[in-house]
Amino acid sequence: GAVVSQHPSRVICKSGTSVKIECRSLDFQATTMFWYRQFPKQSLMLMATSNEGSKATYEQGVEKDKFLINHASLTLSTLTVTSAHPEDSSFYICSARDRDGNTEAFFGQGTRLTVV
Amino acid sequence: GIQVEQSPPDLILQEGANSTLRCNFSDSVNNLQWFHQNPWGQLINLFYIPSGTKQNGRLSATTVATERYSLLYISSSQTTDSGVYFCGRGGGADGLTFGKGTHLIIQP
Repeated sequence: GAVVSQHPSRVICKSGTSVKIECRSLDFQATTMFWYRQFPKQSLMLMATSNEGSKATYEQGVEKDKFLINHASLTLSTLTVTSAHPEDSSFYICSARDRDGNTEAFFGQGTRLTVV
Repeated sequence: GIQVEQSPPDLILQEGANSTLRCNFSDSVNNLQWFHQNPWGQLINLFYIPSGTKQNGRLSATTVATERYSLLYISSSQTTDSGVYFCGRGGGADGLTFGKGTHLIIQP
């Protein structure tokens, strides 16, 4: 299957700082990537859909100014958590599809963010 | 909105037992996937199964799209099968809607 790589796997930052998470498709081009968030012992919730060369589409209730998404190339999408607060601490995970028309999703390893 | 319900929420079995996990979804489906989330959080793709039946070793899955459910079968369970199993449903170009998962514990 297609390989999606996410970096970093774990990050600790201070309140008020910003953190950037990268999601790369290693062996395919992804016009669309997705960002999810998972709180402990809960399900994954879709945050936004990242489209190459255009603005991301955010799910209801997700602050677009807090979670900045950039999809500058067909192999890279980034999520920046701006002015992080402890309540932003969570597990963030991205996914991508390997080609248009194929709906199977492949996921990165996830990033565990802790804001202190 | 679209709902995905998984059952049972928790399941404890002895090693060697068989298990069936269920996923019900409220709308038509273009994509139905089963995942195993490992202790580090990574989602391991088990099956991409919008319809029909697939088998991979001790695991198999069936989706009956017209009746809006999918089943994941685990036979001869091993302790390494423990973890959380998620199903995710997609309707097209959208991301997946996930169920709350089934927490499976296989005891030696």
